[in-house]
Amino acid sequence: AQSVTQLDSHVSVSEGTPVLLRCNYSSSYSPSLFWYVQHPNKGLQLLLKYTSAATLVKGINGFEAEFKKSETSFHLTKPSAHMSDAAEYFCVVSDDTGFQKLVFGTGTRLLVSP
Amino acid sequence: DTGVSQDPRHKITKRGQNVTFRCDPISEHNRLYWYRQTLGQGPEFLTYFQNEAQLEKSRLLSDRFSAERPKGSFSTLEIQRTEQGDSAMYLCASTLLPQVRSRVDTQYFGPGTRLTVL
Repeated sequence: AQSVTQLDSHVSVSEGTPVLLRCNYSSSYSPSLFWYVQHPNKGLQLLLKYTSAATLVKGINGFEAEFKKSETSFHLTKPSAHMSDAAEYFCVVSDDTGFQKLVFGTGTRLLVSP
Repeated sequence: DTGVSQDPRHKITKRGQNVTFRCDPISEHNRLYWYRQTLGQGPEFLTYFQNEAQLEKSRLLSDRFSAERPKGSFSTLEIQRTEQGDSAMYLCASTLLPQVRSRVDTQYFGPGTRLTVL
């Protein structure tokens, strides 16, 4: 079965500094991977997705992620954090069954200080 | 706003009562999913509809839970005889059945219904 592990439950950065949110995946085949963001009292929003095209995936709001098969990783990065980036981030893998349910990690809370 | 709406946004109920939630997916989307998110955790899959057919149910979905999607449009999730352990955010997502079988399309999530069972 597919699974993802988010290595940090909380990450704290200062505004203007780089962001790194770490995710490792486990999959028996070439996975489809996603990062979703959840702001308080708002729905889940897709940041980016990897579906076996380019290994470096660019998303919204300046985020990007790199798929590394050798390391089974899909880390999320952003060069410069903004206060509005403070939220919960989920690394997600698509199940390999026909109906493609999503399997979520436990989440990483990003805190951005002024 | 993704275009997926859920109603109500919040529900407080007493243990033992029945509750029903509604999800309206994006209009052309034929796939609909329900997930449950408890505090401090990521969402977990509950059930899946393709058009009006319920094709998959998680073991998390006990006999007290029932979901429907009449006519393949909106969906309802009912919980009978609620328990305190049912307190969670219930999320709905929708997407299109991909034209290419191997393709994975984006699931668009609604804002969720937060259930509190007292």
